[in-house]
Amino acid sequence: GEDVEQSLFLSVREGDSSVINCTYTDSSSTYLYWYKQEPGAGLQLLTYIFSNMDMKQDQRLTVLLNKKDKHLSLRIADTQTGDSAIYFCAESPPMFSGGYNKLIFGAGTRLAVHP
Amino acid sequence: GAVVSQHPSRVICKSGTSVKIECRSLDFQATTMFWYRQFPKKSLMLMATSNEGSKATYEQGVEKDKFLINHASLTLSTLTVTSAHPEDSSFYICSAPDSNYNYGYTFGSGTRLTVV
Repeated sequence: GEDVEQSLFLSVREGDSSVINCTYTDSSSTYLYWYKQEPGAGLQLLTYIFSNMDMKQDQRLTVLLNKKDKHLSLRIADTQTGDSAIYFCAESPPMFSGGYNKLIFGAGTRLAVHP
Repeated sequence: GAVVSQHPSRVICKSGTSVKIECRSLDFQATTMFWYRQFPKKSLMLMATSNEGSKATYEQGVEKDKFLINHASLTLSTLTVTSAHPEDSSFYICSAPDSNYNYGYTFGSGTRLTVV
């Protein structure tokens, strides 16, 4: 079945690194995503990784993918108070009939950054 | 990048009335629009998928007659909550595939619906 799991809460000190973990179930997922949601707002795409990649780095963000274990992580270096938000992991299983497929979201990890 | 404009951002309505939520793709054509519902401190639950010019596909357990979806043009999809009840109060978000699929989906800013 389709299921994406994340830890619900993470607290870090400003300046430290944050690591948010996610596990997914569909090994055929082509893309895996990380979205950020600030209070009362929609979702903002942070980064994505193609399933044939192991790592992707984009400025302060590093995504690691362990396809064997179906584990995805997001590392935020030098975490700032502005990074406080909910982070959603999502997978996109392929749609064999063509067209666009839905995203399967985890429950979201609430990141709290304190001084 | 691609932008999806969602309106209204917040609406309060009385029980029994209907509310329409609009999502417009501003600089790209959205042949598909996904409609999600988010409960407090919960993940996003897909309600339905709309495709321009055809009937929407609803997820299991979602009432078609209650949540009417229309995708009449390549830039506009609407969700109408009919005969709203307090249990329909939620955060509704639309999303469209970016014209460059590799970059995922673009989300609207969401609509906070409160039914009193």
